[in-house]
Amino acid sequence: EVQLVESGGGLVQPGRSLRLSCAASGFTFDDYAMHWVRQAPGKGLEWVSGISWNSGSIGYADSVKGRFTISRDNAKNSLYLQMNSLRAEDTALYYCAKVGVGATVDYWGQGTLVTVSS
Amino acid sequence: DIQMTQSPSTLSASVGDRVTITCRASQSISSWLAWYQQKPGKAPKLLIYKASSLESGVPSRFSGSGSGTEFTLTISSLQPDDFATYYCQQYNSWFTFGPGTKVDIK
Repeated sequence: EVQLVESGGGLVQPGRSLRLSCAASGFTFDDYAMHWVRQAPGKGLEWVSGISWNSGSIGYADSVKGRFTISRDNAKNSLYLQMNSLRAEDTALYYCAKVGVGATVDYWGQGTLVTVSS
Repeated sequence: DIQMTQSPSTLSASVGDRVTITCRASQSISSWLAWYQQKPGKAPKLLIYKASSLESGVPSRFSGSGSGTEFTLTISSLQPDDFATYYCQQYNSWFTFGPGTKVDIK
């Protein structure tokens, strides 16, 4: 059974940093691209960042480019999101998401909540 | 960047109704389009990928069509479990999600 478990969320002051982690199990992690998708309270889904299976291709939404860094450790079956210079508008539930054979997300974690506030 | 729009933003319908949601892309995305269903407090669930392919385990009352810039999601006979918010998503160039369509009870 595919499992994606996010951690690392919490309350942080504007301008500070936070690192999210996603522990994956139930599938061959290094076969698949992975993504982070966020959802602000009461709002829609927003793609944040994606990374190919071998980290050779990485992309970011314009809203986080230059502030967030995605990475993965295939030996540890883990995905990460380093978030720097956090802003109030980064407040959201952050989902870890796995890409499937259909080339888009087929599994989602339950999310970790990031709240940016003074 | 590719922008996605959906219409309507809200749809009121009754059990048994045929429901259609439209999604448009700002440029051609071929068939690289997916549809997700999300219920309150839950992660999204993949329904359709590559515009018209039904994800395993998804009821056959859900169907998708379209290519290029215009796409539709159809629910042939709305069931009580289908009241939710639906998002389209392009994956021709990374990802972009549409703003969502909330299907509620009439």
